[in-house]
Amino acid sequence: GNSVTQMEGPVTLSEEAFLTINCTYTATGYPSLFWYVQYPGEGLQLLLKATKADDKGSNKGFEATYRKETTSFHLEKGSVQVSDSAVYFCALGGGGADGLTFGKGTHLIIQP
Amino acid sequence: EPEVTQTPSHQVTQMGQEVILRCVPISNHLYFYWYRQILGQKVEFLVSFYNNEISEKSEIFDDQFSVERPDGSNFTLKIRSTKLEDSAMYFCASRSLDGRTGELFFGEGSRLTVL
Repeated sequence: GNSVTQMEGPVTLSEEAFLTINCTYTATGYPSLFWYVQYPGEGLQLLLKATKADDKGSNKGFEATYRKETTSFHLEKGSVQVSDSAVYFCALGGGGADGLTFGKGTHLIIQP
Repeated sequence: EPEVTQTPSHQVTQMGQEVILRCVPISNHLYFYWYRQILGQKVEFLVSFYNNEISEKSEIFDDQFSVERPDGSNFTLKIRSTKLEDSAMYFCASRSLDGRTGELFFGEGSRLTVL
């Protein structure tokens, strides 16, 4: 079956630091890959996605590249801000009626 | 921008009581989902619904749970006799008939507290 593995948190960084949150997956077929973000007290919001190998998703300064050879979709940002503090979930999905399979989430804390 | 809306935002109930969580998916979406997130833990799939029937359900979704689309806009999750371990945030999500891109749109969640 499908599964997603994310690095454990919390991850604590200083403002303007470089961010990487690792995500690897196992799946049958060719799933789409997603990063969702959950700000404190809020629901899940799509941050970015990639639908096929070598695609790069990007949004709000965050990027992730769909790497089929390493089955990875690592999230990166060059310079984080305090407002980026949130829980980040990597997910994969096959479309249609299939739901998404989520990783456990990585809590990111950015200190001023 | 269209969004998924959920009510109530927070419900407190006694163990053994029935609870209905309501969702209004995005109007032209055809696939509907419920997920749950126990505090501090991962987001877990409960059930998917398409064409007025359940498409998939997880082992969490036992006989105590049911879903319904009673009219053209609402999508409900019912828990017949709540247990302490049902305390969680419940997220509704919907998806358009969009092939394999697969993006789900989530509501803000309904927090259920079972005492």
